[in-house]
Amino acid sequence: DTAVSQTPKYLVTQMGNDKSIKCEQNLGHDTMYWYKQDSKKFLKIMFSYNNKELIINETVPNRFSPKSPDKAHLNLHINSLELGDSAVYFCASSQDRTSAGELFFGEGSRLTVL
Amino acid sequence: GQNIDQPTEMTATEGAIVQINCTYQTSGFNGLFWYQQHAGEAPTFLSYNVLDGLEEKGRFSSFLSRSKGYSYLLLKELQMKDSASYLCAVGNFNKFYFGSGTKLNVKP
Repeated sequence: DTAVSQTPKYLVTQMGNDKSIKCEQNLGHDTMYWYKQDSKKFLKIMFSYNNKELIINETVPNRFSPKSPDKAHLNLHINSLELGDSAVYFCASSQDRTSAGELFFGEGSRLTVL
Repeated sequence: GQNIDQPTEMTATEGAIVQINCTYQTSGFNGLFWYQQHAGEAPTFLSYNVLDGLEEKGRFSSFLSRSKGYSYLLLKELQMKDSASYLCAVGNFNKFYFGSGTKLNVKP
């Protein structure tokens, strides 16, 4: 059983399109995250949700909209895709928002915008 | 703000010992983490320090000095499979801030 799973693993699309990436965790964790890893391998936090509540939004463009229907799911929708959005997007979870617990990452979704 | 620095790339020989350094300046701190990331894969947790000193975990050890804003990851008895990127991350309560990673090349 995969602890943190995200789909799709690969996504190739045209500029201007809208796309979504889904994430699910079966660890019973309270907190979930979206990270973006660019071509230089720099892993940068985008959003964090705790029990369906948005707690971190790190100056991400409005074109990116996360949604958490329940604490086990955190989806990412991107509108009007741009070339600079090409990256690997990692979903992650941690036990809760206050402990400095480890992050469990999904396998990543590689987005290529043409 | 957050500033986390680590060397971009290192090369070491199989069987040797290598130390990967990380320096950080952050506005909040509640832990220093090391993650391993093989090419094309997700980062996986290696170690965690919240107090000063050395934490040992098999072939891997991690050291922290909070007053100096400094940590290192020590890998002993290097194996070819240790070739990967090693990411230093600072936990700031709700957030984990990552360095850009050190790519370690292990050669025979």
